[in-house]
Amino acid sequence: GIQVEQSPPDLILQEGANSTLRCNFSDSVNNLQWFHQNPWGQLINLFYIPSGTKQNGRLSATTVATERYSLLYISSSQTTDSGVYFCAPGGGYQKVTFGTGTKLQVIP
Amino acid sequence: GAVVSQHPSRVICKSGTSVKIECRSLDFQATTMFWYRQFPKQSLMLMATSNEGSKATYEQGVEKDKFLINHASLTLSTLTVTSAHPEDSSFYICSARASAGSVNEQFFGPGTRLTVL
Repeated sequence: GIQVEQSPPDLILQEGANSTLRCNFSDSVNNLQWFHQNPWGQLINLFYIPSGTKQNGRLSATTVATERYSLLYISSSQTTDSGVYFCAPGGGYQKVTFGTGTKLQVIP
Repeated sequence: GAVVSQHPSRVICKSGTSVKIECRSLDFQATTMFWYRQFPKQSLMLMATSNEGSKATYEQGVEKDKFLINHASLTLSTLTVTSAHPEDSSFYICSARASAGSVNEQFFGPGTRLTVL
């Protein structure tokens, strides 16, 4: 199956700082989603981004499908951004494979 | 739109009992639903794929007789953990793929935390 690697595995940020999370995947996919799992376990869909760039407030994501990677940018981080961020290539008729996640802690 | 709900959100049960978890697509029809399991501090792992009106397809290593999946309608799939044991304690999450419209996305439910005593 597809292999998904995320980096960094852990990240501590001062509130207000910016960060970039990376997701590399081993095979071609038609779809890719980014999720935020909050400290209570709830999974929140951030982006559906099979290719190109999308922005939603302080978050944006870019997927370069031909090079098999995706990036999630978090600007002006807030404590509520804390949690685990998952990259999940696949979807539709393809299996969704979750990456190992990046655990983010934003400190005041 | 594209909301998926799960019920219950949290359940605690005694060892040996069976627990049923419901996954509903609230505002769309879902031909296919997926069930995932997440152990503490780990990623989500696909357990099975369920298609409306047919038998579920289980991933390697998942016991189909222990994790019974029923997808009787286009808006409801259920996962029953039979004879639950403490090692079945986990976070269970479902997702649904729309039958029309945004068919390339999967919409995820909020999850169900199962604790088996």
